[in-house]
Parts: sequence; C-alpha cells; structure tokens
Amino acid sequence: NAGVTQTPKFRILKIGQSMTLQCTQDMNHNYMYWYRQDPGMGLKLIYYSVGAGITDKGEVPNGYNVSRSTTEDFPLRLELAAPSQTSVYFCASSPGQGFTGEGYTFGSGTRLTVV
Amino acid sequence: AQRVTQPEKLLSVFKGAPVELKCNYSYSGSPELFWYVQYSRQRLQLLLRHISRESIKGFTADLNKGETSFHLKKPFAQEEDSAMYYCALRPTGTASKLTFGTGTRLQVTL
Repeated sequence: NAGVTQTPKFRILKIGQSMTLQCTQDMNHNYMYWYRQDPGMGLKLIYYSVGAGITDKGEVPNGYNVSRSTTEDFPLRLELAAPSQTSVYFCASSPGQGFTGEGYTFGSGTRLTVV
Repeated sequence: AQRVTQPEKLLSVFKGAPVELKCNYSYSGSPELFWYVQYSRQRLQLLLRHISRESIKGFTADLNKGETSFHLKKPFAQEEDSAMYYCALRPTGTASKLTFGTGTRLQVTL
C-alpha cells in the first residue's frame, strides 16, 4: 500500500517554463488536495477536489491548474513558472464525507525551484 | 471562517524537560482538531486527533473549548521529538478542507 505518491521529488525550472506535478493515491480516497509550504508560512491550500471531475480553488490558486479525471490521480500544472512559485508542494488525500475524525495522508513532497 | 494560530515559530527545550506547543483557534461552530508532525526531510504525518483522545509517542492534546485551545504536551522531551509541528482544524461532521497553523519548530537539545 503506497499511500500518496508524488513525482518528481525535485525540479528546477526556468522562468516561463511549465511543468506538471504528479500525485497518485491508492487508498480510494475521494478527496485530494494540493498545498504549498513556504518557510514560516505554514501550508497554503492551492486546489482541492472532492471527487473525479470536481475541483475547486483554495487559498492561493493563481498560476496553477488542476484536473481530476480519475479517483487516483490529481496532477497540478504550473504554467509560466515564476520565482514566487519556488516552494515545496505537498499532495494529500482524505476519505471524505462521512469519515469524521480522519485526517489527511500526505505525499513526500516536491521541492521546486524557479530560477 | 476558521483560523489557527501557533504563536511560537521556534521552541527550544532541553532533553527531559516538559514540552508544550501552543495552538489556539477561532471558529464559531464545533471543530475537529489535529496535530501533524514533519520530521526532517519527511512527509507530514498525523500525530494526534482530538476525537480519539489518544497518546502518541508520549504526546497528548486536550481540546479546551472555553479557551479555544488545543495545546500539544509531553512531560519529558526526547531528541527524536525535534521536528516541525502543525496544528489543524476543520468543522466537525464535514469533510471540509483542513486549515493549518503556521507551525512550530521544536528543537530538543542535550
């Protein structure tokens, strides 16, 4: 049981380039999330999804896009990378409605540097 | 809207000393509270949830609705407790997204 798998672990992008951060979970969780973690700022929610075909913006969605075509996958797309997007990105999942008390399962993170 | 405040960015204690990581929240309804821990270069993992009333790795946390707090405590700190700790909240009975605090780094020194 792998849990939540993120790829790549590290990436350096040049300003203006694009990339997709991959996230896959094998727990049949309905809900999935993307957070960014900046030093001293905690975790900020970028986008989330409550099921296949349904996505919604979080606190800091600008510069990002997501899709959820299957229950397992929730990729995060960066278009026109900017230095402000240098961060550590975490994907997470949770069972969803009806599972009170359940927390999130996090991936290992992607460390992205934009130069 | 809910808010989670962790007033200390860094807490440094000696090995064997008691630890208290503070977490205060603001939310008008009934919340679920969680503590997550992130060891160096590892993923965030769930440490405690108030609904379980459990003790994990010697840590406990009690939800105090009067003071709107969910402080994390351990009577005797160990070196391996050094990590980043995040408090998080969501409304009870929902699958709403968690709201995280900014985190407290715990440093346990000899």
